[in-house]
Amino acid sequence: ILNVEQSPQSLHVQEGDSTNFTCSFPSSNFYALHWYRWETAKSPEALFVMTLNGDEKKKGRISATLNTKEGYSYLYIKGSQPEDSATYLCASYNFNKFYFGSGTKLNVKP
Amino acid sequence: EPEVTQTPSHQVTQMGQEVILRCVPISNHLYFYWYRQILGQKVEFLVSFYNNEISEKSEIFDDQFSVERPDGSNFTLKIRSTKLEDSAMYFCASSPAGQGVYQPQHFGDGTRLSIL
Repeated sequence: ILNVEQSPQSLHVQEGDSTNFTCSFPSSNFYALHWYRWETAKSPEALFVMTLNGDEKKKGRISATLNTKEGYSYLYIKGSQPEDSATYLCASYNFNKFYFGSGTKLNVKP
Repeated sequence: EPEVTQTPSHQVTQMGQEVILRCVPISNHLYFYWYRQILGQKVEFLVSFYNNEISEKSEIFDDQFSVERPDGSNFTLKIRSTKLEDSAMYFCASSPAGQGVYQPQHFGDGTRLSIL
């Protein structure tokens, strides 16, 4: 079983702060990295699918980068808002299967 | 916006019984997945399904489990002879055509399965 690690486990920031967190994944037989936003009592919502080394994707105030050689992806949130509070989950596709991290739980205080 | 729907939202079953979890994927999607999350643990991949057959399955997905797309709209997960350790949240997901793994997945709200 391959291991996907996310850090930090949780994060508390003030409204307006910018923040970032990390997803580390195995680089062997890697095909894609998925990022999800998961609010409590809801289903995970897809943010980005990243495949190529050096990929950068952006959706509003949220952006992500990918380094497939060293096996990590960063997710950035610029000017956090209370509605950004959620768990951010990554999943790596290696050897034809998805492997999930434990998520980073973000709490943005107004 | 189209959604993936799962029923029931909560299923309570006696150990040893069979259970069927139901999912209706988004109508024009072609790739289907089942995942589970045991309380306090990571989300785990169970199985992927494409073109009416299993395309990949995990070590968890043994002979106790089966999937079916019986009528072109539903996608079901059957668990035979349930065990206490099958208690988990089960999520269904679907993604559109065009190299499934490179497409974003749309998740249902999950079915909480409790085995007594």
